[in-house]
Amino acid sequence: AQKITQTQPGMFVQEKEAVTLDCTYDTSDPSYGLFWYKQPSSGEMIFLIYQGSYDQQNATEGRYSLNFQKARKSANLVISASQLGDSAMYFCAMREGPEGNNRLAFGKGNQVVVIP
Amino acid sequence: DTGVSQNPRHKITKRGQNVTFRCDPISEHNRLYWYRQTLGQGPEFLTYFQNEAQLEKSRLLSDRFSAERPKGSFSTLEIQRTEQGDSAMYLCASSDTDRGRFPTAFFGQGTRLTVV
Repeated sequence: AQKITQTQPGMFVQEKEAVTLDCTYDTSDPSYGLFWYKQPSSGEMIFLIYQGSYDQQNATEGRYSLNFQKARKSANLVISASQLGDSAMYFCAMREGPEGNNRLAFGKGNQVVVIP
Repeated sequence: DTGVSQNPRHKITKRGQNVTFRCDPISEHNRLYWYRQTLGQGPEFLTYFQNEAQLEKSRLLSDRFSAERPKGSFSTLEIQRTEQGDSAMYLCASSDTDRGRFPTAFFGQGTRLTVV
Protein backbone atom coordinates (compact mmCIF):
# COMPACT_ATOMS: atom_id res chain seq x y z
CA ALA A 1 0.00 0.00 0.00
CA GLN A 2 1.30 3.40 -0.93
CA LYS A 3 2.21 5.37 2.15
CA ILE A 4 2.81 8.75 0.55
CA THR A 5 0.51 10.12 -2.13
CA GLN A 6 1.40 13.00 -4.40
CA THR A 7 -1.06 13.21 -7.28
CA GLN A 8 -0.78 16.69 -8.72
CA PRO A 9 0.26 16.91 -12.35
CA GLY A 10 3.19 19.09 -13.33
CA MET A 11 2.73 22.69 -12.30
CA PHE A 12 3.72 25.97 -13.89
CA VAL A 13 4.15 28.81 -11.45
CA GLN A 14 4.71 32.48 -12.13
CA GLU A 15 7.87 33.84 -10.60
CA LYS A 16 7.25 35.57 -7.24
CA GLU A 17 3.96 33.78 -6.70
CA ALA A 18 3.30 31.13 -4.05
CA VAL A 19 2.72 27.47 -4.85
CA THR A 20 1.25 24.68 -2.73
CA LEU A 21 2.25 21.06 -3.26
CA ASP A 22 -0.08 18.42 -1.88
CA CYS A 23 0.97 15.39 0.10
CA THR A 24 -1.16 12.86 1.95
CA TYR A 25 0.20 10.00 3.98
CA ASP A 26 -0.94 6.78 5.57
CA THR A 27 0.36 5.36 8.81
CA SER A 28 -0.93 3.78 11.99
CA ASP A 29 2.22 4.63 13.92
CA PRO A 30 1.67 7.51 16.38
CA SER A 31 5.29 8.60 16.01
CA TYR A 32 6.34 9.63 12.54
CA GLY A 33 8.07 12.42 10.68
CA LEU A 34 7.35 14.09 7.40
CA PHE A 35 9.98 15.53 5.08
CA TRP A 36 10.05 17.46 1.86
CA TYR A 37 12.98 17.18 -0.52
CA LYS A 38 13.78 19.04 -3.72
CA GLN A 39 15.44 17.24 -6.62
CA PRO A 40 16.77 19.49 -9.40
CA SER A 41 17.87 18.05 -12.72
CA SER A 42 21.33 17.39 -11.27
CA GLY A 43 19.79 14.53 -9.28
CA GLU A 44 20.72 15.44 -5.73
CA MET A 45 17.95 15.28 -3.13
CA ILE A 46 18.01 18.51 -1.15
CA PHE A 47 16.35 18.58 2.26
CA LEU A 48 13.84 21.41 2.64
CA ILE A 49 11.71 21.00 5.75
CA TYR A 50 10.65 18.57 8.46
CA GLN A 51 7.48 18.11 10.55
CA GLY A 52 7.26 15.73 13.48
CA SER A 53 3.97 14.07 14.30
CA TYR A 54 3.97 15.54 17.81
CA ASP A 55 4.93 19.05 16.75
CA GLN A 56 2.25 21.53 17.73
CA GLN A 57 3.16 24.18 15.21
CA ASN A 58 3.58 24.03 11.48
CA ALA A 59 7.22 23.93 10.40
CA THR A 60 8.74 26.85 8.53
CA GLU A 61 12.16 27.23 6.90
CA GLY A 62 12.68 30.49 5.06
CA ARG A 63 10.37 30.51 2.04
CA TYR A 64 9.15 27.00 2.80
CA SER A 65 6.30 26.22 5.15
CA LEU A 66 4.47 23.02 5.84
CA ASN A 67 0.69 22.98 6.27
CA PHE A 68 0.33 20.02 8.60
CA GLN A 69 -3.22 18.74 9.10
CA LYS A 70 -2.85 15.66 11.24
CA ALA A 71 -6.49 14.58 11.27
CA ARG A 72 -6.58 14.69 7.48
CA LYS A 73 -3.13 13.11 7.23
CA SER A 74 -1.88 15.79 4.94
CA ALA A 75 1.41 17.68 4.88
CA ASN A 76 1.32 20.21 2.09
CA LEU A 77 4.40 22.24 1.19
CA VAL A 78 3.99 25.95 0.52
CA ILE A 79 6.74 27.76 -1.35
CA SER A 80 6.34 31.51 -1.15
CA ALA A 81 7.76 34.05 -3.60
CA SER A 82 8.81 31.44 -6.18
CA GLN A 83 12.17 31.85 -7.85
CA LEU A 84 13.43 30.44 -11.13
CA GLY A 85 15.77 28.20 -9.15
CA ASP A 86 12.78 26.52 -7.53
CA SER A 87 12.10 24.61 -10.76
CA ALA A 88 12.57 20.98 -9.76
CA MET A 89 10.86 17.80 -8.63
CA TYR A 90 9.58 17.92 -5.06
CA PHE A 91 9.21 14.78 -2.99
CA CYS A 92 7.27 14.23 0.18
CA ALA A 93 8.61 11.49 2.44
CA MET A 94 7.69 9.89 5.73
CA ARG A 95 9.70 8.29 8.49
CA GLU A 96 7.81 5.83 10.64
CA GLY A 97 8.82 4.88 14.11
CA PRO A 98 11.18 6.52 16.56
CA GLU A 99 13.33 9.51 15.79
CA GLY A 100 16.80 8.51 14.74
CA ASN A 101 15.53 6.24 12.02
CA ASN A 102 15.84 7.79 8.57
CA ARG A 103 14.32 4.93 6.62
CA LEU A 104 12.08 7.03 4.42
CA ALA A 105 9.10 6.21 2.21
CA PHE A 106 8.81 8.67 -0.68
CA GLY A 107 5.94 9.76 -2.86
CA LYS A 108 6.19 9.95 -6.64
CA GLY A 109 6.93 13.65 -6.59
CA ASN A 110 5.55 16.88 -8.00
CA GLN A 111 7.15 18.64 -10.96
CA VAL A 112 7.31 22.42 -10.59
CA VAL A 113 8.40 24.80 -13.33
CA VAL A 114 8.76 28.46 -12.43
CA ILE A 115 8.27 30.81 -15.35
CA PRO A 116 9.47 34.42 -15.51
CA ASP B 1 31.13 19.71 5.98
CA THR B 2 31.64 18.39 2.50
CA GLY B 3 28.51 16.73 1.23
CA VAL B 4 27.80 13.11 0.45
CA SER B 5 29.93 12.03 -2.50
CA GLN B 6 29.05 9.25 -4.92
CA ASN B 7 31.18 7.72 -7.64
CA PRO B 8 30.87 7.22 -10.47
CA ARG B 9 28.14 9.67 -11.45
CA HIS B 10 27.23 7.64 -14.50
CA LYS B 11 27.81 4.00 -15.40
CA ILE B 12 26.87 2.19 -18.57
CA THR B 13 27.33 -1.55 -18.49
CA LYS B 14 26.40 -4.56 -20.52
CA ARG B 15 23.82 -6.97 -19.19
CA GLY B 16 25.46 -9.68 -17.13
CA GLN B 17 28.40 -7.58 -15.99
CA ASN B 18 29.11 -6.69 -12.37
CA VAL B 19 29.19 -3.07 -11.21
CA THR B 20 30.27 -1.42 -7.99
CA PHE B 21 29.34 2.02 -6.73
CA ARG B 22 30.97 3.95 -3.94
CA CYS B 23 29.49 6.38 -1.43
CA ASP B 24 31.47 8.64 0.89
CA PRO B 25 29.14 10.02 3.56
CA ILE B 26 29.48 13.28 5.44
CA SER B 27 32.36 12.73 7.83
CA GLU B 28 31.35 11.40 11.24
CA HIS B 29 27.83 10.54 10.10
CA ASN B 30 27.18 7.15 11.62
CA ARG B 31 24.22 6.14 9.46
CA LEU B 32 24.41 5.47 5.73
CA TYR B 33 21.48 4.62 3.46
CA TRP B 34 21.13 3.33 -0.07
CA TYR B 35 18.07 4.10 -2.17
CA ARG B 36 17.12 3.30 -5.75
CA GLN B 37 15.12 5.66 -7.94
CA THR B 38 13.62 4.63 -11.25
CA LEU B 39 12.29 7.07 -13.81
CA GLY B 40 9.18 8.90 -12.69
CA GLN B 41 9.27 7.46 -9.18
CA GLY B 42 10.47 8.55 -5.80
CA PRO B 43 13.47 6.88 -4.19
CA GLU B 44 12.94 3.42 -2.70
CA PHE B 45 14.84 2.24 0.34
CA LEU B 46 17.36 -0.54 -0.21
CA THR B 47 19.47 -0.87 2.92
CA TYR B 48 21.15 1.04 5.72
CA PHE B 49 24.17 0.85 7.98
CA GLN B 50 24.80 2.05 11.49
CA ASN B 51 28.57 2.41 11.52
CA GLU B 52 29.79 -0.84 9.90
CA ALA B 53 26.72 -2.91 10.77
CA GLN B 54 24.10 -3.48 8.09
CA LEU B 55 20.89 -3.20 10.10
CA GLU B 56 18.13 -3.51 7.53
CA LYS B 57 17.70 -4.71 3.96
CA SER B 58 14.68 -4.17 1.76
CA ARG B 59 13.03 -6.97 -0.18
CA LEU B 60 14.13 -4.99 -3.23
CA LEU B 61 17.71 -6.02 -2.46
CA SER B 62 17.94 -9.33 -4.28
CA ASP B 63 20.77 -11.82 -3.87
CA ARG B 64 22.59 -10.10 -6.73
CA PHE B 65 22.97 -6.96 -4.62
CA SER B 66 25.46 -6.62 -1.82
CA ALA B 67 26.42 -3.59 0.22
CA GLU B 68 29.30 -3.12 2.59
CA ARG B 69 30.63 -0.47 4.91
CA PRO B 70 33.80 -2.13 6.14
CA LYS B 71 35.24 0.57 8.38
CA GLY B 72 32.10 2.49 9.14
CA SER B 73 33.05 5.24 6.72
CA PHE B 74 32.55 4.80 2.96
CA SER B 75 30.20 2.20 1.55
CA THR B 76 30.06 0.18 -1.64
CA LEU B 77 27.06 -1.25 -3.43
CA GLU B 78 27.75 -4.08 -5.83
CA ILE B 79 25.34 -5.50 -8.37
CA GLN B 80 26.27 -8.84 -9.87
CA ARG B 81 25.02 -10.13 -13.23
CA THR B 82 23.25 -6.87 -14.01
CA GLU B 83 19.86 -6.92 -15.68
CA GLN B 84 18.11 -4.22 -17.66
CA GLY B 85 15.68 -3.76 -14.79
CA ASP B 86 18.60 -2.62 -12.64
CA SER B 87 18.82 0.59 -14.67
CA ALA B 88 18.11 3.37 -12.20
CA MET B 89 19.60 6.14 -10.13
CA TYR B 90 21.27 4.80 -6.99
CA LEU B 91 21.23 7.36 -4.20
CA CYS B 92 23.25 7.33 -1.02
CA ALA B 93 22.36 9.32 2.09
CA SER B 94 23.92 9.78 5.48
CA SER B 95 22.75 11.07 8.84
CA ASP B 96 24.04 11.56 12.34
CA THR B 97 21.86 10.05 15.03
CA ASP B 98 23.58 12.12 17.67
CA ARG B 99 22.75 15.45 16.12
CA GLY B 100 19.55 17.04 17.26
CA ARG B 101 16.06 15.79 17.62
CA PHE B 102 15.63 14.67 14.07
CA PRO B 103 18.76 13.61 12.22
CA THR B 104 18.09 14.75 8.69
CA ALA B 105 19.37 12.50 5.93
CA PHE B 106 21.60 14.27 3.43
CA PHE B 107 21.78 12.79 -0.04
CA GLY B 108 24.50 12.55 -2.64
CA GLN B 109 24.01 13.29 -6.32
CA GLY B 110 23.54 9.64 -7.14
CA THR B 111 25.00 7.16 -9.59
CA ARG B 112 22.95 6.69 -12.73
CA LEU B 113 23.23 3.12 -13.98
CA THR B 114 22.24 2.14 -17.49
CA VAL B 115 22.28 -1.55 -18.38
CA VAL B 116 22.33 -2.20 -22.13
